[in-house]
Amino acid sequence: NAGVTQTPKFRVLKTGQSMTLLCAQDMNHEYMYWYRQDPGMGLRLIHYSVGEGTTAKGEVPDGYNVSRLKKQNFLLGLESAAPSQTSVYFCASNPTGQGERSPYFGPGTRLLVL
Amino acid sequence: SQQGEEDPQALSIQEGENATMNCSYKTSINNLQWYRQNSGRGLVHLILIRSNEREKHSGRLRVTLDTSKKSSSLLITASRAADTASYFCATDTSGTYKYIFGTGTRLKVLA
Repeated sequence: NAGVTQTPKFRVLKTGQSMTLLCAQDMNHEYMYWYRQDPGMGLRLIHYSVGEGTTAKGEVPDGYNVSRLKKQNFLLGLESAAPSQTSVYFCASNPTGQGERSPYFGPGTRLLVL
Repeated sequence: SQQGEEDPQALSIQEGENATMNCSYKTSINNLQWYRQNSGRGLVHLILIRSNEREKHSGRLRVTLDTSKKSSSLLITASRAADTASYFCATDTSGTYKYIFGTGTRLKVLA
């Protein structure tokens, strides 16, 4: 049981390049999230998904697209990277249902856009 | 805008002292969570408190929630150098488990 994994761990892009960040979870969770964290700041929600085939915008969705074609994977895409997207990206997943629960976070992806 | 605002932004205390940090939020919530983040690392979940709970304990951690004031506090007793980290609150406001994070409190515990 690997939990939440993120690929890649670190990436350097040039302005205008595109890339896809992959988040995978093996816990059969319905909810998945993408956050970004800038230095000295809290996490800001980019997009999230409440189930396979669904996506929704979070606080800062501009410049990003997402897809949830398979329940276990949540992809975050940058079509044309900008220096303002330099950040650490965290993925998280959450089960449905009642009771004590908290999002399970991945280890993060550091992205540097030059 | 961020839902949660932590106060203070930074806190420096001596080992053995207690550390208190506060979180205020703007809208009604289903639950509130506290996380710890060591420098350059991922998030560690500390405690979840539901909107119908007023206080919870976990080891040296004590969390209170006042829904009338839309605020929560995290108390770390007998702090240790290893508690040095940033602490964030996160609220679930819509029932869809869309957790919105606050800006964080940077705690430094001096040995």
